[in-house]
Amino acid sequence: KAGVTQTPRYLIKTRGQQVTLSCSPISGHRSVSWYQQTPGQGLQFLFEYFSETQRNKGNFPGRFSGRQFSNSRSEMNVSTLELGDSALYLCASSLAQGGETQYFGPGTRLLVL
Amino acid sequence: QQPVQSPQAVILREGEDAVINCSSSKALYSVHWYRQKHGEAPVFLMILLKGGEQKGHEKISASFNEKKQQSSLYLTASQLSYSGTYFCGTASGNTPLVFGKGTRLSVIA
Repeated sequence: KAGVTQTPRYLIKTRGQQVTLSCSPISGHRSVSWYQQTPGQGLQFLFEYFSETQRNKGNFPGRFSGRQFSNSRSEMNVSTLELGDSALYLCASSLAQGGETQYFGPGTRLLVL
Repeated sequence: QQPVQSPQAVILREGEDAVINCSSSKALYSVHWYRQKHGEAPVFLMILLKGGEQKGHEKISASFNEKKQQSSLYLTASQLSYSGTYFCGTASGNTPLVFGKGTRLSVIA
């Protein structure tokens, strides 16, 4: 089975712009979660989608949003980018929602200048 | 509530053993362990469920103490390939995984 794929892999933006990241889960996985990873902070949970519905949301401002499509693919959007949004954004898929085993994609490294 | 991992970093020589701890202030249903090598995605190692036993994966095993809401990852006879950052992820019922800040393990020859 193909693993989780994320596009693009690298992105450079300037403050104030917006960005959309894409994630394709493992075939058959219906849950997609997004995480932000920065040095020293580990993996910070952003949100979880299951069956096109956001099931859980982490403690991030409303500038961070996402959605899931009927084929389980997911997108994450960050509007009005700030320097502090520079991070590795990881997408993970699992068979079901909740505390299931997560299978991570390679991530999108976002740099905000 | 983010679980707390200790130590934050450890350096080992090949063949030495290490223990990485993960503790939570919340009652846990499951604990997941991942390893992330530099520049790569985290890779799932094992899951420990409430009421389950100690699990093993090659020379890496883990335990889960439900009463103390703690888990420990044991790496025996470490190899260079064990280097990376180890994360524990915890779940309380039907909640998303919450990860600790990670433990950086370096194995040197």
